[in-house]
Amino acid sequence: DQQVKQNSPSLSVQEGRISILNCDYTNSMFDYFLWYKKYPAEGPTFLISISSIKDKNEDGRFTVFLNKSAKHLSLHIVPSQPGDSAVYFCAAANYGGSQGNLIFGKGTKLSVKP
Amino acid sequence: NAGVMQNPRHLVRRRGQEARLRCSPMKGHSHVYWYRQLPEEGLKFMVYLQKENIIDESGMPKERFSAEFPKEGPSILRIQQVVRGDSAAYFCASSRYTGVGTDTQYFGPGTRLTVL
Repeated sequence: DQQVKQNSPSLSVQEGRISILNCDYTNSMFDYFLWYKKYPAEGPTFLISISSIKDKNEDGRFTVFLNKSAKHLSLHIVPSQPGDSAVYFCAAANYGGSQGNLIFGKGTKLSVKP
Repeated sequence: NAGVMQNPRHLVRRRGQEARLRCSPMKGHSHVYWYRQLPEEGLKFMVYLQKENIIDESGMPKERFSAEFPKEGPSILRIQQVVRGDSAAYFCASSRYTGVGTDTQYFGPGTRLTVL
């Protein structure tokens, strides 16, 4: 049973436009959400996170939105750059339950075309 | 500040051999996590350790897999009698502390295990 779902395996956008990556979750105990970016043959790189007490967090070109009632979060990248091309993983944690492990989605491969 | 280090980066083993994967956390980090990624899949949690303690091993297969994080030295993920299904990328992550809600896990580059 997948608790974190990324239903779009891939996404292609034009350079300079907005990239929107989506993530849904089923476990209402999750209280912390993270996005990681991964290049081939490398480890995931932390991008941005959000606590469940917030609905938005922004860091430069990256903004994460959280809709708790819909159990949905999204990552917006604007403007998109070719160097953003990578696989993006959504992850969730139940830190309040003292569970340190992250639950990952299967990832969305973003391609940003020049 | 060096990041999370893992070695070897690539490991080839024949069926029945043992595989040892090492992870050195970031400086100042005392929490280590191991994840496994199968092809076309997301990362799956295996085990969470602090120095000399296993905190959560709910994701570890019941047999052949073990992990440790000794007082001195790197964390070790050990796979005995490897089978082809063990072929995967194994990632280690570290964090300073957990449960606060603002902590972040930082990942190493991974060890790619191939079982022939």
